[in-house]
Amino acid sequence: QVQLQQWGAGLLKPSETLSLTCAVYGGSFSGYYWSWIRQPPGKGLEWLGEINHSGSANYSPSLRSRVTTSVDTSKNQFSLKLNSVTAADTAVYYCARGQYQWLGRVDSWGQGTLVTVSS
Amino acid sequence: DIQMTQSPSTLSASVGDRVTITCRASQGISTWLAWYQKKPEKAPKSLIYAASSLHSGVPSRFSGSGSGTDFTLTINSLQPEDFGTYYCQQYDTYPVTFGQGTRLEIK
Repeated sequence: QVQLQQWGAGLLKPSETLSLTCAVYGGSFSGYYWSWIRQPPGKGLEWLGEINHSGSANYSPSLRSRVTTSVDTSKNQFSLKLNSVTAADTAVYYCARGQYQWLGRVDSWGQGTLVTVSS
Repeated sequence: DIQMTQSPSTLSASVGDRVTITCRASQGISTWLAWYQKKPEKAPKSLIYAASSLHSGVPSRFSGSGSGTDFTLTINSLQPEDFGTYYCQQYDTYPVTFGQGTRLEIK
C-alpha cells in the first residue's frame, strides 16, 4: 500500500517562496503522475500541477508563471515550489499519485500541509 | 477550460436515503471523470474514476454513471459517515478542472 508523506514550511511572508516535498513509501515511483492540489479556506479544490518520474511536468495555466515541480527518484520524492506568494496562496496543499496524466485515477493522497501567507 | 458544474450545492438527507449528485461538463469529456469525498481536516478520498469505476475499498453503496457531459454520483442507503463535500473532476482535457462541490449534510 503506497503512502505519501508531505512536509514543508507552514508560515510564509508575502513574496516568499512556498516549498513542499512529498515522499513516496511502499510503491513504485515510475509509471505514475505526481500531483499537487490545494484547497483555500472555505473554497474548493484546485489543481496546481503534476510531474512524472522522468521530470515531464504540466502546470495549471493560472499558476504556470510561479510554480515549478521536481522529482528526486533516488529518494522517491517530488517537490513543489511556488514563488512570490500572497495571501491568496493560503491553503491546505496536498500531494497525490495519479495513474494517468491530468490527475487521472488518483489512488493515494498525502496528509495535507496548511500553508499560511501573512505579514 | 472545461467548466464543471455540480448540483445541488448543498444537500440534506437522512440515514438510509438514496442521494444523487449531478455534475455537468461544459463540453464532452467521454468518461474521464472522477469523484472525491472531502471532509474537514482530512485529505480528499478518491471514490470513483472513469465515471463509474469504484476505487478499491470504497463501499458499494457509492456508484457513478454518465458519459459525455452529464454525470451522477449516487449513494444508496446513506450512512452517517457519508457527510462531507463531494467534488467531480475532469481529466479529459488540460487543464484539470473541478466542480465547485456539493455539501452533503446528514439530517
